Amino acid sequence: EADIYQTPRYLVIGTGKKITLECSQTMGHDKMYWYQQDPGMELHLIHYSYGVNSTEKGDLSSESTVSRIRTEHFPLTLESARPSHTSQYLCASSEGGPYNEQFFGPGTRLTVL
Amino acid sequence: AQSVTQPDIHITVSEGASLELRCNYSYGATPYLFWYVQSPGQGLQLLLKYFSGDTLVQGIKGFEAEFKRSQSSFNLRKPSVHWSDAAEYFCAVAARGSQGNLIFGKGTKLSVKP
Repeated sequence: EADIYQTPRYLVIGTGKKITLECSQTMGHDKMYWYQQDPGMELHLIHYSYGVNSTEKGDLSSESTVSRIRTEHFPLTLESARPSHTSQYLCASSEGGPYNEQFFGPGTRLTVL
Repeated sequence: AQSVTQPDIHITVSEGASLELRCNYSYGATPYLFWYVQSPGQGLQLLLKYFSGDTLVQGIKGFEAEFKRSQSSFNLRKPSVHWSDAAEYFCAVAARGSQGNLIFGKGTKLSVKP
């Protein structure tokens, strides 16, 4: 079954730790996205990718980095987590073009103590 | 810059009552328009989208939305709400000619009372 997966679903971690949030999709989509979502706020695009070896920064500045070595995999890394990084992170994928549906994963809720 | 406004943060309706969620956008030309729904603990799911043509679009789960160019609005409606519709609803736009990056509103949380 075609789907998009995120792990872990929940993560509580101390300040200064390096973390990687995993995102994988089985739909063969070229385009993938990372959004940051805080309660009561809109989703903000922080990274996106058009395909393998392509990554771009989104509208919201983020200290995280991403990589796209394989079509199906789009991990997000924080080298040194801080309490200000506490948020929900949503991964999505779509076929190319502005008219195509984005398919979302269930999200990772990150808490940095 | 493009923006999306959802003026209602939280709406409560009775089961079986009708529903309208408001969405206004700010953009020079007619963008692509979307409504997504997010149930607790889950990702977003597309309800419906508008690109061109008939201004009344039908979506999944009995939802529909009407595009009104003169009001820069794309309101979501459902004639009879079910308890399972309780969720958060997000309106989003993508600029025509863009690479498809979405601009989201802040969302409207829908509660359904029995």
